[in-house]
Amino acid sequence: DVKVTQSSRYLVKRTGEKVFLECVQDMDHENMFWYRQDPGLGLRLIYFSYDVKMKEKGDIPEGYSVSREKKERFSLILESASTNQTSMYLCASRADTSGSTDTQYFGPGTRLTVL
Amino acid sequence: RKEVEQDPGPFNVPEGATVAFNCTYSNSASQSFFWYRQDCRKEPKLLMSVYSSGNEDGRFTAQLNRASQYISLLIRDSKLSDSATYLCVVNSGGYQKVTFGIGTKLQVIP
Repeated sequence: DVKVTQSSRYLVKRTGEKVFLECVQDMDHENMFWYRQDPGLGLRLIYFSYDVKMKEKGDIPEGYSVSREKKERFSLILESASTNQTSMYLCASRADTSGSTDTQYFGPGTRLTVL
Repeated sequence: RKEVEQDPGPFNVPEGATVAFNCTYSNSASQSFFWYRQDCRKEPKLLMSVYSSGNEDGRFTAQLNRASQYISLLIRDSKLSDSATYLCVVNSGGYQKVTFGIGTKLQVIP
C-alpha cells in the first residue's frame, strides 16, 4: 500500500511567519505535488516535482516555494504566511513519468490557519 | 468556461436509490479521466478510472462521452457509506494539465 504522510494535520501560524509543510512518500514515486483545497474552488495545484531537485510551478505558485532534496520528501514553504493562505494543503505522489495515466495518492492533508 | 465543471450538489438520495453525476470538460484534447472519492475531512482517493469503452466496478459505472465532452458516474443501490464528495479529474496531457472538479456531494439518507 502506498503511504503518503504529511508532517502535521493541523497548524496555526501568525501572519508573517515562515511555514514549512513536509510530505513523505514511501513508494519511490518520481512525481510529487502540492495542492490547496478551498470550498467552491476545488483542488488547485501549487507546485509539482518530477525528480529530485526539479520543480515546476502549478496554477497558483505565488507566495509559495518548494524543496525536493530527496526523492521521498517534498516540502512546501510559505515564506511569509498571510491570512489568504489559510487552507487545506494536500500532498500527492504518482509513479508515472508520462504524467497522464497513473493514480495520484494523497496524504491526509494539513489544515493551516493563519491568524 | 471552467475547464472541468461539476454540480456541487448536495444530492440527497434514499438508500437503495440509483444516482448519477456528470462532469463536463472543455478541452477536447483531454486524454484521461478519473473519479475520486473524498470523505469529509479526509484526502481524495481514486474510485475508478474512466475508459472510452466505459467501465464497471460493482455498483459503480463510469462512462465517457467524448462527443459531448463529459464523463458520468452511476451508483446503483446506494449505501449510507457512499455518502461522500465525488471529484471528477481530467488530464489533458503532462503534469500541469491535471484538473480537478470542485466535487459533487452525495448524501445517502436512511
